[in-house]
Amino acid sequence: DAKTTQPNSMESNEEEPVHLPCNHSTISGTDYIHWYRQLPSQGPEYVIHGLTSNVNNRMASLAIAEDRKSSTLILHRATLRDAAVYYCIPQASSYKLIFGSGTRLLVRP
Amino acid sequence: DAMVIQNPRYQVTQFGKPVTLSCSQTLNHNVMYWYQQKSSQAPKLLFHYYDKDFNNEADTPDNFQSRRPNTSFCFLDIRSPGLGDAAMYLCAVSSEGNQPQHFGDGTRLSIL
Repeated sequence: DAKTTQPNSMESNEEEPVHLPCNHSTISGTDYIHWYRQLPSQGPEYVIHGLTSNVNNRMASLAIAEDRKSSTLILHRATLRDAAVYYCIPQASSYKLIFGSGTRLLVRP
Repeated sequence: DAMVIQNPRYQVTQFGKPVTLSCSQTLNHNVMYWYQQKSSQAPKLLFHYYDKDFNNEADTPDNFQSRRPNTSFCFLDIRSPGLGDAAMYLCAVSSEGNQPQHFGDGTRLSIL
């Protein structure tokens, strides 16, 4: 299973973009990169996933490095509701999500 | 509307007294998962069902069991809860193993 390294915490101002980095240098060629977030007192919530190309959805964008050893989750305009712990999870074709310690995002009004 | 429903949100039980947590889904997905999340830690997979096939994680204690009587429901049974089993228990579902998982809001279990 690929190991991940994420900052323990990051801060952002409301309405500003946020770039959340993740290093996954041991990722295998077939592992998708998933991002989940967990708001206080809630279960984790799927955000986005990708394999090689950059991905966009209504919640965020995912930029994947060409060598796939790192990725960045981009929130284009942070809101107070985006304050959460963000988990970057390389996932093989197996069923298992292995959560690391994640990044706690604080959003200042 | 909630797609993965866990009841109750809070459960208190006594040391050693069996407890059952429940999970239901409206998505009709094949795979159902149970995770344990202790305070200030990340969720950890206990086991999952693919349809009726049960898959236990190697380090899940024998004290934890699960049942899936039909597609919609899955139960987590803790036979003899210890103080170390106090945690948030999260249920999740996915259509297939490598698809995004949808989580419920969890049941927080306290042990007296």
